[in-house]
Amino acid sequence: GQQLNQSPQSMFIQEGEDVSMNCTSSSIFNTWLWYKQDPGEGPVLLIALYKAGELTSNGRLTAQFGITRKDSFLNISASIPSDVGIYFCAGQLKGGSQGNLIFGKGTKLSVKP
Amino acid sequence: DTEVTQTPKHLVMGMTNKKSLKCEQHMGHRAMYWYKQKAKKPPELMFVYSYEKLSINESVPSRFSPECPNSSLLNLHLHALQPEDSALYLCASSQRWAEGASGNTIYFGEGSWLTVV
Repeated sequence: GQQLNQSPQSMFIQEGEDVSMNCTSSSIFNTWLWYKQDPGEGPVLLIALYKAGELTSNGRLTAQFGITRKDSFLNISASIPSDVGIYFCAGQLKGGSQGNLIFGKGTKLSVKP
Repeated sequence: DTEVTQTPKHLVMGMTNKKSLKCEQHMGHRAMYWYKQKAKKPPELMFVYSYEKLSINESVPSRFSPECPNSSLLNLHLHALQPEDSALYLCASSQRWAEGASGNTIYFGEGSWLTVV
């Protein structure tokens, strides 16, 4: 099946540092969604991207839809302890079913105060 | 308001029990989904309902039976489950679902933790 390669798998950073994670694929996507999931909770939508090259911010978070439509990145600036969690990218394939999000395997973020 | 509400938050059931998970959204979304998530893994799609009709069943065993009574509600009926079915079950919704259509944003509920004993 289709796969998204999400990296890094995990990150241990100091509070105040910036964070960057990305997802890549060999397939073309028409939507990229970034979610954060806390333990025992459902994924919470952070940023949605719909157009190639689109750069969108949500507070300290910035995400971009790659110009080739095969990748996306998420940056978190000045990390704080509550940024801890698992971040998932999810994409919808060009021409594919909207209902079927393809998820990356997640990036587990740990922040040391 | 982008809220999808799921009940119960936690459910423990025996292998011979019949139980149901419930999901509700009041965003006017016409597509609703059930996902299953095991620990440390991404969510996996189970079912998609579009305009109250089942559009996708990802080869889910019949011991899971979805139901969409109206555009705001989605149920998942559980019967004769196995211990390996223990997982976080996530409901989600989006404005619409259509094969091959352009991008759509999917919102998840908080999930129902299911333990089968």
